[in-house]
Amino acid sequence: AQSVTQLDSHVSVSEGTPVLLRCNYSSSYSPSLFWYVQHPNKGLQLLLKYTSAATLVKGINGFEAEFKKSETSFHLTKPSAHMSDAAEYFCVVSDRAGTASKLTFGTGTRLQVTL
Amino acid sequence: NAGVTQTPKFRILKIGQSMTLQCAQDMNHNYMYWYRQDPGMGLKLIYYSVGAGITDKGEVPNGYNVSRSTTEDFPLRLELAAPSQTSVYFCASSPGVNYGYTFGSGTRLTVV
Repeated sequence: AQSVTQLDSHVSVSEGTPVLLRCNYSSSYSPSLFWYVQHPNKGLQLLLKYTSAATLVKGINGFEAEFKKSETSFHLTKPSAHMSDAAEYFCVVSDRAGTASKLTFGTGTRLQVTL
Repeated sequence: NAGVTQTPKFRILKIGQSMTLQCAQDMNHNYMYWYRQDPGMGLKLIYYSVGAGITDKGEVPNGYNVSRSTTEDFPLRLELAAPSQTSVYFCASSPGVNYGYTFGSGTRLTVV
């Protein structure tokens, strides 16, 4: 069985300061891990993914995440927040089930960016 | 590039009514998925399909049915709508294992 825990339901940062969204996972297999972003009343957009290659993964819009197997973590970071980063962020683990991968979503972290 | 297209975007149903949520993708992806999103709960998998003619239950399949007659289309059927099915529904597709998913823009369903 696989699971994802997003440690903060809400994070507030000032524009121009660093962003850290925390995620821990549990998986029976070597997992694939993803971060998705959802802007208000929009669908989900893939930010980045880890699939057993480089442990530091770079994504779109300046975001990156580091896979740490020893800590079972996959935290999302960005050096400098922008107002347009305000959204809901989901950490996701993919695990095989039969012949298809199935995603398990965290409960989300709402990022607020203030002036 | 259309990607994953969901219709309708919004719908209000009365208890006991039926409806079909449409999902179509033009990327020739074999894998397709239906999720529901409830506030503060993340997304829960309803049904998925690994190819035309093959479907399987996800985490929360009760009250729903699906079919996959073509690679492109993966409709979700609600037979007897209940207030507990009030949610936002997302369809997604993927070319295979370990690939990210492409999501549709969602259908916001309210059952009253």
